[in-house]
Amino acid sequence: GAGVSQTPSNKVTEKGKYVELRCDPISGHTALYWYRQSLGQGPEFLIYFQGTGAADDSGLPNDRFFAVRPEGSVSTLKIQRTERGDSAVYLCASSFGMNTEAFFGQGTRLTVV
Amino acid sequence: AQKVTQAQTEISVVEKEDVTLDCVYETRDTTYYLFWYKQPPSGELVFLIRRNSFDEQNEISGRYSWNFQKSTSSFNFTITASQVVDSAVYFCALTLPQGGSEELVFGKGMKLTVNP
Repeated sequence: GAGVSQTPSNKVTEKGKYVELRCDPISGHTALYWYRQSLGQGPEFLIYFQGTGAADDSGLPNDRFFAVRPEGSVSTLKIQRTERGDSAVYLCASSFGMNTEAFFGQGTRLTVV
Repeated sequence: AQKVTQAQTEISVVEKEDVTLDCVYETRDTTYYLFWYKQPPSGELVFLIRRNSFDEQNEISGRYSWNFQKSTSSFNFTITASQVVDSAVYFCALTLPQGGSEELVFGKGMKLTVNP
């Protein structure tokens, strides 16, 4: 499809497990972003990629969170030793960068039980 | 630090009413971008508008209009003759072009319900 694709759409995992969330950006978009949205809140920035490199990872809450974008396209957000507080919707977006319009995916709803 | 405040958390109107969504932002930078996004129940954030800090002209797009006032640090959004399909959560956001980060700082959102 033409939009940002995120998989899975829903993920339920047990506390302490490892999870990976995938994002397929719009073709040609060099910038890719991960955000986390808790219920009733606005999205909170996690990390921004320009090409293959993480240009800004200041939003990652701790070292259990890590993201990669090895070929400058698909990105994976990895969460180790998940905690119940990690439960949220994880949103991915892509753009041409330089403060242009960011297109968002439908998100992955992560539930840690 | 940047901050976006959407004081209203929830508004309910009847179809065909006009409704204004307030947004107040804080930044020490003189160059910045402001955005509005719509999040319908499906969850996907839909881009509505981007405005840079040097362009204070108001904008109209169909039933939507935006009023940007630097003097009050506000970027309000008005929907004229609201429709049921306008029901969604609306987010105002801010970003700075400098510093290498493209982080969007979002407000908490305002849930609009348009009743038939």
